[in-house]
Amino acid sequence: DGGITQSPKYLFRKEGQNVTLSCEQNLNHDAMYWYRQDPGQGLRLIYYSQIVNDFQKGDIAEGYSVSREKKESFPLTVTSAQKNPTAFYLCASSIFASMNTGELFFGEGSRLTVL
Amino acid sequence: GESVGLHLPTLSVQEGDNSIINCAYSNSASDYFIWYKQESGKGPQFIIDIRSNMDKRQGQRVTVLLNKTVKHLSLQIAATQPGDSAVYFCAEIEGNAGNMLTFGGGTRLMVKP
Repeated sequence: DGGITQSPKYLFRKEGQNVTLSCEQNLNHDAMYWYRQDPGQGLRLIYYSQIVNDFQKGDIAEGYSVSREKKESFPLTVTSAQKNPTAFYLCASSIFASMNTGELFFGEGSRLTVL
Repeated sequence: GESVGLHLPTLSVQEGDNSIINCAYSNSASDYFIWYKQESGKGPQFIIDIRSNMDKRQGQRVTVLLNKTVKHLSLQIAATQPGDSAVYFCAEIEGNAGNMLTFGGGTRLMVKP
């Protein structure tokens, strides 16, 4: 079945460590996104990529980094510079780069907890 | 969309009743709106969308109403079922904003059997 796969589902990290969250899609979608969700709040955009080897900062990019070496993959690294990394992270994709032409498909999310 | 901090507004309805979930948006230039449903521990799922040249759109058991005059969006769910229990988010996008979808804070719907 086509879809978006995020891993790991749960991740624990010590302060000062970098961690990388995986996001893979087999939908042949051009655009991919990373959102952060905090308890009781909406989603905030971290980074997005409209095409391979290109990505743009979202509203809260500080302390995060991404890469888009393949169309199917958009990993997110939460660096030690991120002051409050404990959150639920959601990866999404859309068939076209322009949001006005289609919906977002979301993965199941990765919950990161900093100990 | 609305920002509600740590506590989501909650709507509690009886099974079989109709539900109305509301969302206020602030950007008068927004021209595309989407409702998402998010079950606990999962990613949001698309429910229905509407463009600014429409004021109503119907899906299966769901209807979205758009009032651009007061910048208000609502999601109506007919004959609410226990499986409808989730958090519902509205999202908006401005035509010139590219991929910048702005999400509201969400409303938790609880369906009582």
